[in-house]
Amino acid sequence: DVVMTQSPLSLPVTLGQPASVSCRSSQSLVHSDGNTHLSWFQQRPGQSPRRLLYRVSDRDSGVPDRFSGSASGTDFTLKISRVEAEDVGVYYCMQATHWPWTFGQGTKVEIK
Amino acid sequence: QVHLVESGGVMVQPGESLGLSCAASGFTFSSFAMHWVRQAPGKGLEWVAYLHYDGNLKLYSDSVKGRFTISRDNSKNTLYLQMNSLTAADTAVYYCVKDDYFTLDIWGQGTMVTVSS
Repeated sequence: DVVMTQSPLSLPVTLGQPASVSCRSSQSLVHSDGNTHLSWFQQRPGQSPRRLLYRVSDRDSGVPDRFSGSASGTDFTLKISRVEAEDVGVYYCMQATHWPWTFGQGTKVEIK
Repeated sequence: QVHLVESGGVMVQPGESLGLSCAASGFTFSSFAMHWVRQAPGKGLEWVAYLHYDGNLKLYSDSVKGRFTISRDNSKNTLYLQMNSLTAADTAVYYCVKDDYFTLDIWGQGTMVTVSS
């Protein structure tokens, strides 16, 4: 199975400051269709997960543009340009290039 | 508006069976693959099962293979998960999730399954 390793697991941030979550896959996520099927999800306290980004950097409708995604080989990054109070929660990366689909452990973002 | 509503989660004893349902609305259910994803208390997300839109391809995680069965009734816009030989390790919130071509887009609110004696 593809192992997705996130870091850090806990991320205290200051309101208005940038934040970055990393996710590393144990093998290439480039699919035979030419796409890289890496998604990011946000799970606010007490809520179901919500997709933020798919195919590394495609943003979902309604997701603020302060969220962005990037990749370099098997390293993936979720960036929040300016953290707001509503961004508190756990963030997960997920690969869907190889079966079984696998998630990272999650990164808990909290306000300092 | 796209909506997924899970039901059927209860407390059962180890070794027992349980069936979950997921009612879909707001999209053409029969055109989309569906998944079950679970989350143990205080833990991360774990993909459990996949079902192709026409029911002809089913995939399972190793942790549930041989014990769980995913199915659907496109005439009722409903996804199911039959769980047998349950153990404490199956205790989790079970989410019904819509497939969106190699990603998951719409999640239900989840239904809690507790396996305990």
